[in-house]
Amino acid sequence: QVQLQESGPGLVKPSQTLSLTCTVSGGSISSGNYYWSWIRQPAGKGLEWIGRIHTSGSTNYNPSVKSRVTISADMSKNQFSLKLSSVTAADTAVYLCVRDHSVGVFDVWGQGTLVTVSS
Amino acid sequence: EIVLTQSPATLSLSPGERATLSCRASQSVSSYLAWYQQKPGQAPRLLIYDASNRATGIPARFSGSGSGTDFTLTISSVEPEDFAVYYCQQRSNWLTTFGQGTRLEIK
Repeated sequence: QVQLQESGPGLVKPSQTLSLTCTVSGGSISSGNYYWSWIRQPAGKGLEWIGRIHTSGSTNYNPSVKSRVTISADMSKNQFSLKLSSVTAADTAVYLCVRDHSVGVFDVWGQGTLVTVSS
Repeated sequence: EIVLTQSPATLSLSPGERATLSCRASQSVSSYLAWYQQKPGQAPRLLIYDASNRATGIPARFSGSGSGTDFTLTISSVEPEDFAVYYCQQRSNWLTTFGQGTRLEIK
């Protein structure tokens, strides 16, 4: 059974770059026609899709963060990563990595990691 | 961007009652709508995809219906473990969006 686990700093200073990694176990990110997405959720609020990467390497990003975000994958480590630059307090949220089946069916989720943007 | 509006914001029911949650899209999403359940401190869980297909392991008391702009999630008889927040989500184009959520609380 596929499992996802986020990792990375829980505190990032304003204007710096947020970097998170999602490690996938129980299956290979390079097999199957899957996408791998990042979603975030500010405390007490709803869900915002950030972007996705396909096993082919192609990416899609939410226009709300497109100028600041990069999602990449390391097939050898079975990981995919999120980088969000020039962060502000508005980027404080729980960040979740998700298996994205059929472009937008989020069927396997990581537990999420809280990232706080503060000096 | 397609906006999803969920109603009601909060639904208060007793165990055993029927729950009806609504999601309306700002433009047609065909049948590309999913429902997720989220409990406190947990990640969301996929319940229904493509309007009416139950995800693996989801009990039969959960059902989805609708197409175009109006969708419904029904819980035929609410169990104690069903009290949670429910989100709808559309994937009619690559820019997927979520509704603001409906909280199902114990009456």
